[in-house]
Amino acid sequence: EVQLVESGGGLVKPGGSLRLSCAASGFTFSIYTMNWVRQAPGKGLEWVSSISSSSSYIYYADSVKGRFTISRDNAENSLYLQMNSLRAEDTAVYYCARAHYYDSSGYYSPWGQGTLVTVSS
Amino acid sequence: SSELTQDPAVSVALGQTVRITCQGDSLRNYDASWYQQKPGQAPVLVIYGKNNRDRFSGSSSGNTASLTITGAQAEDEADYYCNSRDSSGKHLGVFGGGTKLTVL
Repeated sequence: EVQLVESGGGLVKPGGSLRLSCAASGFTFSIYTMNWVRQAPGKGLEWVSSISSSSSYIYYADSVKGRFTISRDNAENSLYLQMNSLRAEDTAVYYCARAHYYDSSGYYSPWGQGTLVTVSS
Repeated sequence: SSELTQDPAVSVALGQTVRITCQGDSLRNYDASWYQQKPGQAPVLVIYGKNNRDRFSGSSSGNTASLTITGAQAEDEADYYCNSRDSSGKHLGVFGGGTKLTVL
């Protein structure tokens, strides 16, 4: 079964740091681009970051650029998101998602169940 | 970057057909994918591009992509999000604001 399981969320003070992990299983992790997508309470989906299969191409949303770092370990089938200088507006459920690309576009499938990050004093 | 615009809410009578739309400049060049999200759950891919699955079908024209549900069921009540590549085409970094579908 193809599965993504996030972990590492929790309560952190403004200015603090947190590292999220996403464990992948049931597919060849090393050939897929992986992403982090977040959802603030009661809000819509917001793409956060993307990392290509060999980590050659990395992209960030403007809202997290310079504060968050995406990485992966293909030997461990794991995706990470290091979050520094956290702000209240970073409070959200963070999902990892596998990306499939084709000529005309792409899509995310599957998604993990999400991990909640709360930034509050 | 670019933006995708969705109607915040749409309703449909049980068994009827409903179309949920998504507008944005990037859709002139790239297909949209659609995700269903029920309360407390992670998003799930519904369809992408112009594919069909069960009672869900996708289409596009100009800068607008559409998700059509033919014969809506009670279990289709959910939030629906569209997504596409950003204007650079380098990643799937653009989501619509979401449409809450109510099945009456």
